[in-house]
Amino acid sequence: DTEVTQTPKHLVMGMTNKKSLKCEQHMGHRAMYWYKQKAKKPPELMFVYSYEKLSINESVPSRFSPECPNSSLLNLHLHALQPEDSALYLCASSLSSRPGSGDTQYFGPGTRLTVL
Amino acid sequence: GNSVTQMEGPVTLSEEAFLTINCTYTATGYPSLFWYVQYPGEGLQLLLKATKADDKGSNKGFEATYRKETTSFHLEKGSVQVSDSAVYFCALSDQTGANNLFFGTGTRLTVIP
Repeated sequence: DTEVTQTPKHLVMGMTNKKSLKCEQHMGHRAMYWYKQKAKKPPELMFVYSYEKLSINESVPSRFSPECPNSSLLNLHLHALQPEDSALYLCASSLSSRPGSGDTQYFGPGTRLTVL
Repeated sequence: GNSVTQMEGPVTLSEEAFLTINCTYTATGYPSLFWYVQYPGEGLQLLLKATKADDKGSNKGFEATYRKETTSFHLEKGSVQVSDSAVYFCALSDQTGANNLFFGTGTRLTVIP
């Protein structure tokens, strides 16, 4: 089973709201990723967690706050977002994030976020 | 640095036509190479991968060969179907960072009956 699940599928929020995106995998993977994808563009890496510790933050604004409560779960907390943050947010996981491993990243279906 | 250059789209083909989507890369070391496919409204699905020079990845009739001498990983399929209509992304995995993926810009394929 190579399934990564994400909830919710769609989210509409105002600029003053606080919401969270959730990602889950049960493949025993120890690396998890958040990507942001704008329309007609490739995904852009936001965060990488390795063994539940944040290993990469690609200069993402603090209104995005990731959390990895355990090896199967990854959350993205959203607060005071801007309309330009509207995008598809993709979660992925891989066996490891060891440099040079080439471990395949498996993606979830994404959460389509609209900020009003 | 790492980068992927992918054939610009969109590409429109008739059913049963031959498909080639070009992909070339620049990387430090020997990256793993991937093709991902994204159907409308969905996330990315791994289509195929290759981890070293001369490896051929294949899946669902799609093939790509890791060519180190030309730094290429072109995607091919002998006979496309309407159901192959999607966006295709070529990607490489970072050899120095945390297994980061570097994506090409994506190629939108439309197959018409």
